[in-house]
Amino acid sequence: GNSVTQMEGPVTLSEEAFLTINCTYTATGYPSLFWYVQYPGEGLQLLLKATKADDKGSNKGFEATYRKETTSFHLEKGSVQVSDSAVYFCALINFNKFYFGSGTKLNVKP
Amino acid sequence: SAVISQKPSRDICQRGTSLTIQCQVDSQVTMMFWYRQQPGQSLTLIATANQGSEATYESGFVIDKFPISRPNLTFSTLTVSNMSPEDSSIYLCSKIGADTQYFGPGTRLTVL
Repeated sequence: GNSVTQMEGPVTLSEEAFLTINCTYTATGYPSLFWYVQYPGEGLQLLLKATKADDKGSNKGFEATYRKETTSFHLEKGSVQVSDSAVYFCALINFNKFYFGSGTKLNVKP
Repeated sequence: SAVISQKPSRDICQRGTSLTIQCQVDSQVTMMFWYRQQPGQSLTLIATANQGSEATYESGFVIDKFPISRPNLTFSTLTVSNMSPEDSSIYLCSKIGADTQYFGPGTRLTVL
């Protein structure tokens, strides 16, 4: 079957720290992978995506690389800001159906 | 990026009543999707709203509780029927675009 597992939160970091949020997946076939972000009080927004193995998605300083050999799509950012505080969801799409991870809450302190 | 609007944006309802949520998308699509996000949790797919046929419900969700309409290719409604406090959630509609999924802003429902 298809599923997404991401690290539990909350993750608390100081401003300018390095961020990694782990995400692994199980899927049949060749899914596309996504990271969505949900800022407090707002809806889900697409942060980045990768559609095939070894693709790197990037946006707003965030990056994630589609690793087929480890079935992973870890989210990284070199220097987080307070404004990055949000909940981050890893997701995959397979055969027109989306599967979401449980979400990881990130708190960035000044 | 896609434009998806939902109405209402939030509501507070009494148990036993029903609420209908409207979703309008900016382009014609065959499938629209309804999700629920309970407090502090991830998204759970309720159903796929197909234009021209009945909605397809996921395990644990039934038509009597969550009737869906899909009168045309840009509009859908989800009704939460006979509400209880356990139905307090954010309800989101979405559509699939070019290999991604776009979400509406959500309807925040509180059932007292």
